[in-house]
Amino acid sequence: SYELTQPPSVSVSPGQTARITCSGDALSKQYAYWYQQKPGQAPVLVIYKDSERPSGIPERFSGSSSGTTVTLTISGVQAEDEADYYCQSADSSGTSVVFGGGTKLTVL
Amino acid sequence: QLQLQESGPGLVKPPETLSLTCTVSGGSISSRNYYWGWIRQPPGKGLEWIGSIYYSGNTYYNPSLKSRVTISVDTSKNQFSLKLSSVTAADTAVYYCARLTTVIPHFDYWGQGTLVTVSS
Repeated sequence: SYELTQPPSVSVSPGQTARITCSGDALSKQYAYWYQQKPGQAPVLVIYKDSERPSGIPERFSGSSSGTTVTLTISGVQAEDEADYYCQSADSSGTSVVFGGGTKLTVL
Repeated sequence: QLQLQESGPGLVKPPETLSLTCTVSGGSISSRNYYWGWIRQPPGKGLEWIGSIYYSGNTYYNPSLKSRVTISVDTSKNQFSLKLSSVTAADTAVYYCARLTTVIPHFDYWGQGTLVTVSS
């Protein structure tokens, strides 16, 4: 099995840029996916294949990858972006899934 | 629009077996492009993948839970199910069912989640 490591928390002021990292050896070979989860709700996919944005997700959400680290960037953070964010990847067969521990984004 | 709905008891006694069913509507569980998975989230904690199943019945489990987990599929009812045996208080969580794409493996549709409390 393998692990994905995220910082427990990130804080930014409205209008600033938030960057949330996710690290793990598997990320050099497998894509990463990012989910946003608000209290009492199911997670919502915000980035897939490291940097692709699903339809309906605001352009301020973007993703990037470098080696064994992927980064979720939220530009011009809004109060509504305050949530928990989880990265996710899979093994080489795509059948074994792993989540990062999650990062709580606080908008000050 | 695809919808997934979890159902099952909200309270389970230790060391009994937790049983949940996910009913899929608005699409076929027999699609070759998807797996179907279970994910859980203990109160105040992160997401944990439990396991996934293909419509053919092929299963894939989290190694940390493999000895206690059974996932099955009923294509005639468009449902898949989770059984987790020998539960303890540590298994108290919100349990989600979700659709997992095969080629680029991620969860694109989720159920609303159901809280299962393990307590005597």
